Amino acid sequence: EAGVAQSPRYKIIEKRQSVAFWCNPISGHATLYWYQQILGQGPKLLIQFQNNGVVDDSQLPKDRFSAERLKGVDSTLKIQPAKLEDSAVYLCASSLAPQLNSPLHFGNGTRLTVT
Amino acid sequence: AQSVTQLDSQVPVFEEAPVELRCNYSSSVSVYLFWYVQYPNQGLQLLLKYLSGSTLVKGINGFEAEFNKSQTSFHLRKPSVHISDTAEYFCAVSHNTDKLIFGTGTRLQVFP
Repeated sequence: EAGVAQSPRYKIIEKRQSVAFWCNPISGHATLYWYQQILGQGPKLLIQFQNNGVVDDSQLPKDRFSAERLKGVDSTLKIQPAKLEDSAVYLCASSLAPQLNSPLHFGNGTRLTVT
Repeated sequence: AQSVTQLDSQVPVFEEAPVELRCNYSSSVSVYLFWYVQYPNQGLQLLLKYLSGSTLVKGINGFEAEFNKSQTSFHLRKPSVHISDTAEYFCAVSHNTDKLIFGTGTRLQVFP
């Protein structure tokens, strides 16, 4: 099966600019996650979708970050305006269902550098 | 609150030697534990998980981990490593949900 697709692979922007990341999960996976992985740290969950509804966005900095999954398939994560501390790898993951027996499949990530 | 501690940020080892990557967790309730591997410029891949049952869990690529409730540990082991095992390894904990809390990672460097 095709894996989780993310684009772009790399992005360099200046602070205060905006940026968007795209994720296409594995076909049939209802649950989609966005993680932020800062250098030297483990991934941190930003937002979780179940189909096109938000399940958990408690750690999403909503003043600058937004995400959507309009048709319950692809998802977009946006940052506006970006700050230096947003430099990180943004990982998308999907699973069949929000259950522990349903493993997460991760994409290769988008590496964002904010200068 | 749950947390995960990976005490070793880097573990260097020679090829064919055994290795242990340490993971300790803190939680006041039952937990579920995971190990993920991240190869350079790739996403995370599940190595193994403990949900219930036998405390010795076997995963892919010859890795295994043992859940020790009294020591709140879930150390990852492999009896003989290969060059291809060079990667970042993340321990993660969850409490009855699919929400994972990851440790800071351990970089395993295997030398020939």
